[in-house]
Amino acid sequence: EAQVTQNPRYLITVTGKKLTVTCSQNMNHEYMSWYRQDPGLGLRQIYYSMNVEVTDKGDVPEGYKVSRKEKRNFPLILESPSPNQTSLYFCASTTMFRGQGYGYTFGSGTRLTVV
Amino acid sequence: QKEVEQDPGPLSVPEGAIVSLNCTYSNSAFQYFMWYRQYSRKGPELLMYTYSSGNKEDGRFTAQVDKSSKYISLFIRDSQPSDSATYLCAMWGRGAGNNRKLIWGLGTSLAVNP
Repeated sequence: EAQVTQNPRYLITVTGKKLTVTCSQNMNHEYMSWYRQDPGLGLRQIYYSMNVEVTDKGDVPEGYKVSRKEKRNFPLILESPSPNQTSLYFCASTTMFRGQGYGYTFGSGTRLTVV
Repeated sequence: QKEVEQDPGPLSVPEGAIVSLNCTYSNSAFQYFMWYRQYSRKGPELLMYTYSSGNKEDGRFTAQVDKSSKYISLFIRDSQPSDSATYLCAMWGRGAGNNRKLIWGLGTSLAVNP
């Protein structure tokens, strides 16, 4: 089944404790992206990657890191989480054709709470 | 001004009603338009993908694009309680560095009452 798999689904952590949210897709998609979703603010892009070893900042990159060493994986790293990073996080991927993307496939989401 | 505007609702309709959901956008360069459905605590799922002006139909769903007015719509016929969800519009634009990025509406919350 074509899918984007995120783990964990739920995470409660303490301020300052480094964490990684994993994301893996099995569709050979070039383009992968991380979003956070907050009430009233909608989906905001954190980082995206257009291919292996090619990553760039989205709209809200502060406090986050990513890497893209393999095409299928795109982990999100919070080096020193803070309470304002409490949110619902989504990983998504899509294929590109002549520089144009199609519709995203989203993961099921990670509900992160930082206390 | 946001690049994409979408009324957040909530919108509440009786079962069987025709639902109209809308987004306006400001950048005339947008060409690829999408509608996503998001159930509570789930990831968004792609409903419709359209290119340029015109209509596209898929079952009870019709996506309409009017580029001259910079206006897109999603119509749901014979709405069902299972259609209760948040509907997000999105379109491909360009971010910093001229890279492609999806520009999102905030989503419209729809409740279909039995």
